[in-house]
Amino acid sequence: DVKVTQSSRYLVKRTGEKVFLECVQDMDHENMFWYRQDPGLGLRLIYFSYDVKMKEKGDIPEGYSVSREKKERFSLILESASTNQTSMYLCASSYRRGGTEAFFGQGTRLTVV
Amino acid sequence: AQTVTQSQPEMSVQEAETVTLSCTYDTSESDYYLFWYKQPPSRQMILVIRQEAYKQQNATENRFSVNFQKAAKSFSLKISDSQLGDAAMYFCAYRSYRIRMNRDDKIIFGKGTRLHILP
Repeated sequence: DVKVTQSSRYLVKRTGEKVFLECVQDMDHENMFWYRQDPGLGLRLIYFSYDVKMKEKGDIPEGYSVSREKKERFSLILESASTNQTSMYLCASSYRRGGTEAFFGQGTRLTVV
Repeated sequence: AQTVTQSQPEMSVQEAETVTLSCTYDTSESDYYLFWYKQPPSRQMILVIRQEAYKQQNATENRFSVNFQKAAKSFSLKISDSQLGDAAMYFCAYRSYRIRMNRDDKIIFGKGTRLHILP
């Protein structure tokens, strides 16, 4: 079974903290994605990576950065957390071009206080 | 750019009845994949069904089937014999099949439809 694992299900952080959300996949997928999910807004792409050290901005990259030093791991970084970044964060992975569906982690619910 | 629209934010259906969730999309491409994902309260997003655009036959998976109308750019999900475990958010998604550049290889999601099952 494909496994995409996010490091935390729940996180509470303070405003201004640097926050790391980690995601690991075990299927040798080339593509990895970070989405943000908010009620009424669906899934919005923050960043995605199609190879080690490669990254592309999604629809809402402001306030976020990413790191992909190894193929299986994709990290989302909130440089200085703000209350408007309180949300559900979903990581996903897929095979590259011509591949089919993406596989998702269980989500991290981040609360910034 | 491709877009995916789910016009029904919420729906309800009686247990054992049939319900249809709507999805329309916009694209100029001829080859692509369409997906329906389910996100139950546990939050784990799982694939329900997949349709390849080049296939005319509608995909089915047990109680789940789609009505794929390529010309109309419509991709609805039908759930037959609804069960309490079908209560979830359902997302329609699009992925291009032929990508010129890796950087364009994205999966585009609709805003979702929350399905309630009434006992």
